[in-house]
Amino acid sequence: QQQVKQSPQSLIVQKGGISIINCAYENTAFDYFPWYQQFPGKGPALLIAIRPDVSEKKEGRFTISFNKSAKQFSLHIMDSQPGDSATYFCAAFSGGGADGLTFGKGTHLIIQP
Amino acid sequence: DTGVSQDPRHKITKRGQNVTFRCDPISEHNRLYWYRQTLGQGPEFLTYFQNEAQLEKSRLLSDRFSAERPKGSFSTLEIQRTEQGDSAMYLCASTLAGANVLTFGAGSRLTVL
Repeated sequence: QQQVKQSPQSLIVQKGGISIINCAYENTAFDYFPWYQQFPGKGPALLIAIRPDVSEKKEGRFTISFNKSAKQFSLHIMDSQPGDSATYFCAAFSGGGADGLTFGKGTHLIIQP
Repeated sequence: DTGVSQDPRHKITKRGQNVTFRCDPISEHNRLYWYRQTLGQGPEFLTYFQNEAQLEKSRLLSDRFSAERPKGSFSTLEIQRTEQGDSAMYLCASTLAGANVLTFGAGSRLTVL
């Protein structure tokens, strides 16, 4: 059972455009929702994260929007740059759970110059 | 270097051989996780330790897999009698118990011929 569903699988955006990646979760015990960025040959690196008591969090060009009632959250990358080209994973964490983060399947983002 | 270190970065082996991966977490982190990532997928939880105690194991972790963290510092993941289906990136991450932010290493890529 996939507990975090991520879409789209791949995304191509023009430089300067807005990249949007969506995730939905099932387990209401999740209480922390990070996004990780992964470049080829590297491990995932934390990009930005949100807790369910907040509807939006912004850090620079990256924004998470969170809809608790719909059990959905999304990552928006404003003014997308070629250096943003990477694979992005949404994830969910339950403070009471023992198995760490549950990841989505990832979105391969390409920013075209 | 204060990050999570993994060794080797890449291992090529023949089916049936045993392989061992090592992870050195961030020194003050008492919780250590192992994940497996296959091509086009998000990381999947395998097991985690708090100090030297292995507290949780995924169903993905067959009896050919064993992990240790003998002194609560570095950890090893051994795969016995490797199979082609074991080919994947094996990621290690660490954190402080009670914290949500996992810091990942660059991973150890296993190729089983």
